[in-house]
Amino acid sequence: QKEVEQNSGPLSVPEGAIASLNCTYSDRGSQSFFWYRQYSGKSPELIMFIYSNGDKEDGRFTAQLNKASQYVSLLIRDSQPSDSATYLCAVSRGSSASKIIFGSGTRLSIRP
Amino acid sequence: DAGVTQSPTHLIKTRGQQVTLRCSPKSGHDTVSWYQQALGQGPQFIFQYYEEEERQRGNFPDRFSGHQFPNYSSELNVNALLLGDSALYLCASSLDGGATDTQYFGPGTRLTVL
Repeated sequence: QKEVEQNSGPLSVPEGAIASLNCTYSDRGSQSFFWYRQYSGKSPELIMFIYSNGDKEDGRFTAQLNKASQYVSLLIRDSQPSDSATYLCAVSRGSSASKIIFGSGTRLSIRP
Repeated sequence: DAGVTQSPTHLIKTRGQQVTLRCSPKSGHDTVSWYQQALGQGPQFIFQYYEEEERQRGNFPDRFSGHQFPNYSSELNVNALLLGDSALYLCASSLDGGATDTQYFGPGTRLTVL
């Protein structure tokens, strides 16, 4: 079992719709959860982090965390073509010394 | 506010050679982590440096070594290069003891081993 699992996609969503990206993790000691966006040939760019159960909203992005189910999700509202990228879910144990474990990413394609 | 910088951008080496990659952390950060990202995969943790010492290490062989300098910049060295070492090498910086453990990535170094 992979430590962080994501559906590789591609996930195709029409422009203006809501894109929903999901991630599960195996380490129950995980405390910090991150979503990174990575355009082809570029490095990962942090979109959001979440530490507490529930929802966290930032603009068009909402991260959702359910520690009991070991599940993290990212919702992108009003999807734009510029949102087309690979989205990486990552988790850590929460201390500054912790390593971050990444999933393999979900490719998202926003179709006009 | 300078972000994380890495050099070189691209590098081509042949099997058996050695390579050194460099990273300067984001201003105010003191911790540097290195990751290897193969095509189509997520970044894999290599090791983390803090106070000029390796603090954590992932599942990588001893051919991978590093160093951190007093100014917090860091180097990643890979000896006896294999074809499978071809990847994007990412440096990420963070602040030890900061409010979050968020890591910020540099642009990466694309290493090709022929």
